[in-house]
Amino acid sequence: GENVEQHPSTLSVQEGDSAVIKCTYSDSASNYFPWYKQELGKRPQLIIDIRSNVGEKKDQRIAVTLNKTAKHFSLHITETQPEDSAVYFCAASVYGNKLVFGAGTILRVKS
Amino acid sequence: EAQVTQNPRYLITVTGKKLTVTCSQNMNHEYMSWYRQDPGLGLRQIYYSMNVEVTDKGDVPEGYKVSRKEKRNFPLILESPSPNQTSLYFCASSPLATRDEQYFGPGTRLTVT
Repeated sequence: GENVEQHPSTLSVQEGDSAVIKCTYSDSASNYFPWYKQELGKRPQLIIDIRSNVGEKKDQRIAVTLNKTAKHFSLHITETQPEDSAVYFCAASVYGNKLVFGAGTILRVKS
Repeated sequence: EAQVTQNPRYLITVTGKKLTVTCSQNMNHEYMSWYRQDPGLGLRQIYYSMNVEVTDKGDVPEGYKVSRKEKRNFPLILESPSPNQTSLYFCASSPLATRDEQYFGPGTRLTVT
């Protein structure tokens, strides 16, 4: 089955710097790659997603890139702010039925 | 208000005592799913349902049961809970399977002693 690895497990950045979180997946049939943000004590919420027919997608300070050949995708957050501090999860979906998540990255933005 | 609700939010129980965690959505979503969240392991899918009366196993289905008799409800049943099922559980729904944004419920923290 699909396996998703996520790195790093923790990431500390200074406010205003950029943060990059990387994920790799194993099943070349995966075609949908969402990113979820989970603040402490709250539910996960979608922040951005990308489908396999697109290489990059941006939404204000957040961007996701996808390299299908290498089977990896990354989340980029620019101009980080303290409210970006949270746990971020990548995920991969195979044929739209099952969603497999990475283990998560704890992002700390220091002000 | 469009939402996914779960009950109870917190539950402490003993080994072997059957329990049900309810999940309900008011968005007419076809797809519903249950996940458990454990430190260092992320979110792992337990069961999912593509529509009424259609359910399938996720990655960690052992010890759990589900049913989907109505479109809005997707209860998670633990017939004989064990301590290794102590976890944070999330229900989620989406309009059409996992190719769309999943809307998560608030979570249920379960402790089995």
